[in-house]
Amino acid sequence: EAQVTQNPRYLITVTGKKLTVTCSQNMNHEYMSWYRQDPGLGLRQIYYSMNVEVTDKGDVPEGYKVSRKEKRNFPLILESPSPNQTSLYFCASSLFASGGGLNTQYFGPGTRLTVL
Amino acid sequence: KQEVTQIPAALSVPEGENLVLNCSFTDSAIYNLQWFRQDPGKGLTSLLLIQSSQREQTSGRLNASLDKSSGRSTLYIAASQPGDSATYLCAVCGGSRLTFGEGTQLTVNP
Repeated sequence: EAQVTQNPRYLITVTGKKLTVTCSQNMNHEYMSWYRQDPGLGLRQIYYSMNVEVTDKGDVPEGYKVSRKEKRNFPLILESPSPNQTSLYFCASSLFASGGGLNTQYFGPGTRLTVL
Repeated sequence: KQEVTQIPAALSVPEGENLVLNCSFTDSAIYNLQWFRQDPGKGLTSLLLIQSSQREQTSGRLNASLDKSSGRSTLYIAASQPGDSATYLCAVCGGSRLTFGEGTQLTVNP
């Protein structure tokens, strides 16, 4: 089954304790992206990757790191989490559209993170 | 910077009604526009993708239109059902990124 998986689905942690949220897709997609979703602010992009070893900042990259060593994986790293990073996080992937831009986005189920 | 607005923020209708959700964007230089559905606590599911060269796209009871010059898209849902209750989001693709609206929360009452 074609899918994007994220782990963990739920995480409660404390300020300053490094954590990694994993994202994996089995569709051979070049493009992968991380978003956070907050009430009243909608979905905001954190980082995205056009291909292996190619990553770039989105709208809200502060406090986050990413890496793309393999095509299928795109982990999100919070080196020193703070309470303002409490949010619902989504990973997404897609192919590039033949006419330019991004094709249909496939989203993971989300990771609900609480930082105390 | 691209801005995407969805009106209304919430909508409640009786079952069987036809309805229209609106999406507007400020920069018409887009490659495509995508509509998604999000159920509470779940991820987003793609509904329709309209290329910038297209005027509309249909899937079952859903029809999405795009007027790039005026920066508007609509999602038409025919014969609404309680199972259509969800939040609907539109997103515009300006190249290597998507910009999302905040969504319209739809409730279809039996």
